[in-house]
Formats: sequence, structure tokens, C-alpha cells
Amino acid sequence: DAKTTQPPSMDCAEGRAANLPCNHSTISGNEYVYWYRQIHSQGPQYIIHGLKNNETNEMASLIITEDRKSSTLILPHATLRDTAVYYCIVRRNYGQNFVFGPGTRLSVLP
Amino acid sequence: DADVTQTPRNRITKTGKRIMLECSQTKGHDRMYWYRQDPGLGLRLIYYSFDVKDINKGEISDGYSVSRQAQAKFSLSLESAIPNQTALYFCATSTGNTGELFFGEGSRLTVL
Repeated sequence: DAKTTQPPSMDCAEGRAANLPCNHSTISGNEYVYWYRQIHSQGPQYIIHGLKNNETNEMASLIITEDRKSSTLILPHATLRDTAVYYCIVRRNYGQNFVFGPGTRLSVLP
Repeated sequence: DADVTQTPRNRITKTGKRIMLECSQTKGHDRMYWYRQDPGLGLRLIYYSFDVKDINKGEISDGYSVSRQAQAKFSLSLESAIPNQTALYFCATSTGNTGELFFGEGSRLTVL
């Protein structure tokens, strides 16, 4: 499994964009980048995933570099409810398990 | 009602006791998982099952066992609980397509 590296913590002002980086320099060509978040001690929640193209949904945008060695999750207008631990995970589809590292603790400040 | 339900949500027990954590799902997914989370750490996979007759060990299966009683039910057992099994336990489900995980609300276990 490809490993990911994330900063342990970040702050963001409420209303501003939160940009969460993830390095995955050993990612293979058939591995996807997934993002999950965990609010307090709730079960992690799926946010978004992508292979090589940038992706956007109602929660966030995922920007993957052309060489696929890193990615950025963007929360365009962070709110206090976005305070959570964000996990970046790489995995193949169809059968490979998710490996959750320690993630990035994002604090959205008023 | 939650799509992935875990019982009990909280449990305090003593060293040496047998404990079962239960998970049921109404999502119709074939794959089910048990994860463990310790404070400040990510989730670690204990066991997973891709269908009723399939059981696989994860990275930290020692001291745990599981049973997949039906497609919708996946139970985790601690045969003889020990204090370092004190943790937050999560059940999750997925399909074989995108593989997106859907988590339960967690079961907090304290072993004294």
C-alpha cells in the first residue's frame, strides 16, 4: 500500500478556504486518493476520491498534481462544523483495504 | 435509523471477561469491517469479511475473533478482555464497487 504523509494539525479562519495537503510519492498508477474526515469521536465520513483528474462535490474539491505524488483537499468556505481530523488514503479499488494514518487535525477558528 | 448500527455503544468490563460487540447494517453491502481506534491515532483494521463465508485478518487481529452470521451482521468478540484493548471500536461496510466505507457510530470499550 502507498503511504501518505499529512501535517498533524492546521488552523483555518471561519469562512476562508481550508487547503489540506497530502503527500503520496509512492502511489501506483492504479491507486485512488480518498479523503475521509472524523468529527470528534464519530465514525469517519467519506468526503471525496479521485484517480488523476480533479474532482469536486458538494463537500469539497480534490486537486491531484499531474505526477500524482501529492494532492490537496479544499474546503472552499470552512465553517466551525468542519473542525475534524481529515484522513488522506490511497488504495486500489476492488479489494484493497483502507489504511488510516493519524490524519490532519483541522481547527476552524471563529 | 442509522444504516450501520453498533451495540453496545459503551461498555465497561473487567479483565478476563468475554465481550461481544455487534454490528448490523441495512445498506445491503456485502463487505463488513471492524476497526479499532486508540486516542490520537488513526484507525487500525482488526478483521474484515467480503461475504458470509469469508473472514480475513487485519493488521491487529490477535486477541479478537469475529463471526459473520448473515450478510447484515458482523460481530467482534474479545474472548478474554485485557486493559490494552480499551479503545473505540468501529464497524464499517462497503460495496465492491467504489469501495466507499460507511461507518457505525462506534462502541467505546473500557477494560478495567
